[in-house]
Amino acid sequence: ETGVTQTPRHLVMGMTNKKSLKCEQHLGHNAMYWYKQSAKKPLELMFVYNFKEQTENNSVPSRFSPECPNSSHLFLHLHTLQPEDSALYLCASSQEGRAVNEQFFGPGTRLTVL
Amino acid sequence: AQKVTQAQTEISVVEKEDVTLDCVYETRDTTYYLFWYKQPPSGELVFLIRRNSFDEQNEISGRYSWNFQKSTSSFNFTITASQVVDSAVYFCALNVGNAGNMLTFGGGTRLMVKP
Repeated sequence: ETGVTQTPRHLVMGMTNKKSLKCEQHLGHNAMYWYKQSAKKPLELMFVYNFKEQTENNSVPSRFSPECPNSSHLFLHLHTLQPEDSALYLCASSQEGRAVNEQFFGPGTRLTVL
Repeated sequence: AQKVTQAQTEISVVEKEDVTLDCVYETRDTTYYLFWYKQPPSGELVFLIRRNSFDEQNEISGRYSWNFQKSTSSFNFTITASQVVDSAVYFCALNVGNAGNMLTFGGGTRLMVKP
């Protein structure tokens, strides 16, 4: 595997379900991100992890819960979601240091909440 | 606060035409980075270019070129001799020096290249 992978690619869930999205980066990066992309809004940054520590939580509702067990893996745990949470969820990684470097994105998980 | 505006929501061209995608940014910081990404129908964003605020040189990479103008706060992207495979949504993004590694994205421009 190369780059950034995400599973599952598609997910349909009811509002009472609990599910998790998984992201894995094979690039040796030290920062990982979750973004939400919905039809009506620009790409929204949800969470940032630097060296496994969460450094940003962009006012995301608590029904989204991130987990970063190591620098290569990032999860997004979902519970009691709402239909308006249906969107494409993108994971990204980057190597951060003195300069800001480009982020590399995975293919996304298309989430539908019924 | 920072902001990125991509005023063109959709552009349609015929193959082999040149097309320019506009990006205007707002920031009070003097140190910042600008990016362009391509999002094909498959969904993942593909990095195209990064430019820092101290480097105003324009760049050319094959059929792609970028025009960075600090005086107008613009970072426009031109595709020369467009091809059907260029059809995608293109995003411009901004990072300011004191915002860590957070990116602010524009709304994107959907480019459709017809054969």
